[in-house]
Amino acid sequence: GAGVSQTPSNKVTEKGKYVELRCDPISGHTALYWYRQSLGQGPEFLIYFQGTGAADDSGLPNDRFFAVRPEGSVSTLKIQRTERGDSAVYLCASSLGGVSNEQFFGPGTRLTVL
Amino acid sequence: AQRVTQPEKLLSVFKGAPVELKCNYSYSGSPELFWYVQYSRQRLQLLLRHISRESIKGFTADLNKGETSFHLKKPFAQEEDSAMYYCALVDNTDKLIFGTGTRLQVFP
Repeated sequence: GAGVSQTPSNKVTEKGKYVELRCDPISGHTALYWYRQSLGQGPEFLIYFQGTGAADDSGLPNDRFFAVRPEGSVSTLKIQRTERGDSAVYLCASSLGGVSNEQFFGPGTRLTVL
Repeated sequence: AQRVTQPEKLLSVFKGAPVELKCNYSYSGSPELFWYVQYSRQRLQLLLRHISRESIKGFTADLNKGETSFHLKKPFAQEEDSAMYYCALVDNTDKLIFGTGTRLQVFP
C-alpha cells in the first residue's frame, strides 16, 4: 500500500506569512509524529498524536506552531508569522502506536522562509 | 539530559572494508535504541533496533551499557550501503531523540 505522503514537497514563503504542511499517514496507523530537521542535524521531535488528540506537543518551539489531526488520519502542521529560522525539512511519521513500534516516515516538506 | 552522540559526520571506506558507525548515548535506566538510514533520494527508514538483536543487510549493533554505546557494524561494506545513518534513543517521555547522523561513503 501507499506509504506516508506529505504535501507540498517544497514550500517557499516570505517572512511573516502563514503556512500549512500536510501529512497523510499510512491507513490504520493511529500514531502520527511531526519532526523538524535542520541542515546538518537529525530529526527533532515536534508533536505526537494518538488518534485525534495531541498526546505530546512538548517539542513545538513556540506558540506560532500548531498542529491538528481532526479525524485521526490526516494531520496539518500550521506555522504562523514564519521566520527565517523556521526554514527546515518537516518530516511526518506514522506508526501502529507507541514509540517502540516502527515509525514510517514521509518524504518531508522543505520549507524555505525568505 | 538524554542525548545521542554520533561523533563522525562522515565516514569513508572502500568496498569490502569493515565499517563501524559510532553512537554513544546518555540515559539512566535501560535504553531503547534504534538505527535509522536514509539512502540518497529516499525517505528515512528503520534499519534495526537493539531489542530484536537482528542483523539487517549485514549490519549489527550491540548495546554496551558499560560504555553507553550502540555502534553499528558491518564486516564488509558494499557500495549500496552509502547513505546517512542516524542513531536514535527513546527518552523517558517516550519520544525519539536522534543523533546528528553520520554519512557513510563506500568507494568502489
